[in-house]
Amino acid sequence: EVQLVQSGGGLVQPGGSLRLSCAASGFTFRSYWMHWVRQAPGKGLVWVSRINNDGGSTTYADSVKGRFTISRDNAKNTLYLQMNSLRAEDTAIYYCARGVGGASRDWGQGTLVTVSS
Amino acid sequence: DIQMTQSPSSLSASVGDRVTITCQASQDITNYLNWYQQKPGKAPKLLIYGASTLETGVPSRFSGSGSGTDFTFTISSLQPEDIATYYCQQYNTVLWTFGQGTKVEIK
Repeated sequence: EVQLVQSGGGLVQPGGSLRLSCAASGFTFRSYWMHWVRQAPGKGLVWVSRINNDGGSTTYADSVKGRFTISRDNAKNTLYLQMNSLRAEDTAIYYCARGVGGASRDWGQGTLVTVSS
Repeated sequence: DIQMTQSPSSLSASVGDRVTITCQASQDITNYLNWYQQKPGKAPKLLIYGASTLETGVPSRFSGSGSGTDFTFTISSLQPEDIATYYCQQYNTVLWTFGQGTKVEIK
């Protein structure tokens, strides 16, 4: 069974940093692209970032480019999202997702990030 | 970036009704379109990929069609468990984009 277990969310002040983790099991992690998608409270889904299977290629939404860094450790079967210079508008539930073709078939449980003073 | 315009933003229908949601892309995305269902407090679930292919295990009352810029998602006979928000998502480019979502309620 595919599982994506997320950790690392919480309350952070504007300008602060946070790192999200997504531990994968039940599939060959190093073979798949991975994505981060977020959802502000009461709002729709917004794609944030993606990383290819070996970590050599990354892409970001314009809204987070230069502030967020996606990475992965294939030895630990774990995906990361380092978030710096956080803003109030980054407040959201963040989901990791496994990419299969152009879709996300498997999703983590989501982790809430709240940026507030 | 490719913009996805989804409509309506919400709808209310009776059990057994046919429900249709549309999604329009700002440029040609061939058939690189997925549909997801999200229930409150839960992660999204993939229902349809490649515009019209039903994901394994998804009931056949769900279907999708379209190509180019105009796409349609249909629930042939609405069931109480279908209450959710539905999103389209394009993957024609590496920068994925989602539609704004359609909230489906029971009348």
